[in-house]
Amino acid sequence: KAGVTQTPRYLIKTRGQQVTLSCSPISGHRSVSWYQQTPGQGLQFLFEYFSETQRNKGNFPGRFSGRQFSNSRSEMNVSTLELGDSALYLCASVPNDRENTGELFFGEGSRLTVL
Amino acid sequence: ELKVEQNPLFLSMQEGKNYTIYCNYSTTSDRLYWYRQDPGKSLESLFVLLSNGAVKQEGRLMASLDTKARLSTLHITAAVHDLSATYFCAVDWHSNYQLIWGAGTKLIIKP
Repeated sequence: KAGVTQTPRYLIKTRGQQVTLSCSPISGHRSVSWYQQTPGQGLQFLFEYFSETQRNKGNFPGRFSGRQFSNSRSEMNVSTLELGDSALYLCASVPNDRENTGELFFGEGSRLTVL
Repeated sequence: ELKVEQNPLFLSMQEGKNYTIYCNYSTTSDRLYWYRQDPGKSLESLFVLLSNGAVKQEGRLMASLDTKARLSTLHITAAVHDLSATYFCAVDWHSNYQLIWGAGTKLIIKP
């Protein structure tokens, strides 16, 4: 099985711009969650989607949004970028039902630099 | 609010030695995770612990969970250089894949 695929892997933006990151989960996985990793704040939960519905949202401003499509692929968007948004954004998928041991499988991440 | 504390945050040790990383959390949870991260890389799953008294082992790593004490440990036996990495524990708040993470333990193993 192919793993979790995140694109782009690296990107550079300037303050005020917006960015869209994409995540394709492992085939058959319907739950996708997003995390932000920074040296200062560590790993923080952004949001979690299941069957196109956002089930949980972390404590981030409204500039951070996401969605999930019918094929389980997910995107997250950050608008009006700030310097503090520079981070590694990680996507994880979870197996369904019978296969579910609770394990999250992470992609390689999208490293965003805001100048 | 759920808090997860790891200690130590930094550990430098010699090959062949044993050591333990501790993970304390503040609220009852059904799932505790251990992940490994190499510099510039993503998170690699090591263990998922689901019940009190759970113990899992993989190679030189062994993890255990005491839900009553809200404590998990990751024990390293006879460390080798390849185990150098940052190790994170995380707790699933409300069992809904909203993981709350510890700050990570940076482990350096010297030959």
